[in-house]
Amino acid sequence: GAVVSQHPSWVICKSGTSVKIECRSLDFQATTMFWYRQFPKQSLMLMATSNEGSKATYEQGVEKDKFLINHASLTLSTLTVTSAHPEDSSFYICSAPAGGRGDTQYFGPGTRLTVL
Amino acid sequence: AQSVTQPDIHITVSEGASLELRCNYSYGATPYLFWYVQSPGQGLQLLLKYFSGDTLVQGIKGFEAEFKRSQSSFNLRKPSVHWSDAAEYFCAVEDTGFQKLVFGTGTRLLVSP
Repeated sequence: GAVVSQHPSWVICKSGTSVKIECRSLDFQATTMFWYRQFPKQSLMLMATSNEGSKATYEQGVEKDKFLINHASLTLSTLTVTSAHPEDSSFYICSAPAGGRGDTQYFGPGTRLTVL
Repeated sequence: AQSVTQPDIHITVSEGASLELRCNYSYGATPYLFWYVQSPGQGLQLLLKYFSGDTLVQGIKGFEAEFKRSQSSFNLRKPSVHWSDAAEYFCAVEDTGFQKLVFGTGTRLLVSP
């Protein structure tokens, strides 16, 4: 099946720094990708929809200026956590649908962010 | 707004026993429903999905789920659980027209010997 990769798989950074997370669809093109956040032992919460060639759409309550999303190509979306703080520590997961509505979405393995 | 409820946070099942994980949804139209499994270090994997047709859906790894509109439920079942099934299971509904998934809170399955 289709594969979605994420890089890095884990990252530790100091408070105030910025961290970039990459999400790639390896064997299919994705005009749309989704970014989720998962707190320990909790569900996935959608943060934003990444749209190739246009601005991302953010869910209510998600700070656009803190979580910058760029979808520069049909196989790559990036999430940059700017001026990270300890409360941003979480597990970030991306997904990409292989087709239209109802089609399987393929998930990346996730990126564990720890902000000291 | 769409929502998904998984009432069981943890479930422990003996290996070889049957399993049922509950999922209830709130959705105005015909829902697109999914079950995903999350294992440590791996991305979420789709077990099965439903959006029309036969209300009993077969998935991978021997799982099946039954859609019951009258009960707004989409419960996941497996007749005989294996130790390798221990994982976190998420039920999800797809937002109309946007492909966004709304997830339930998940059920952690523990398999005892």
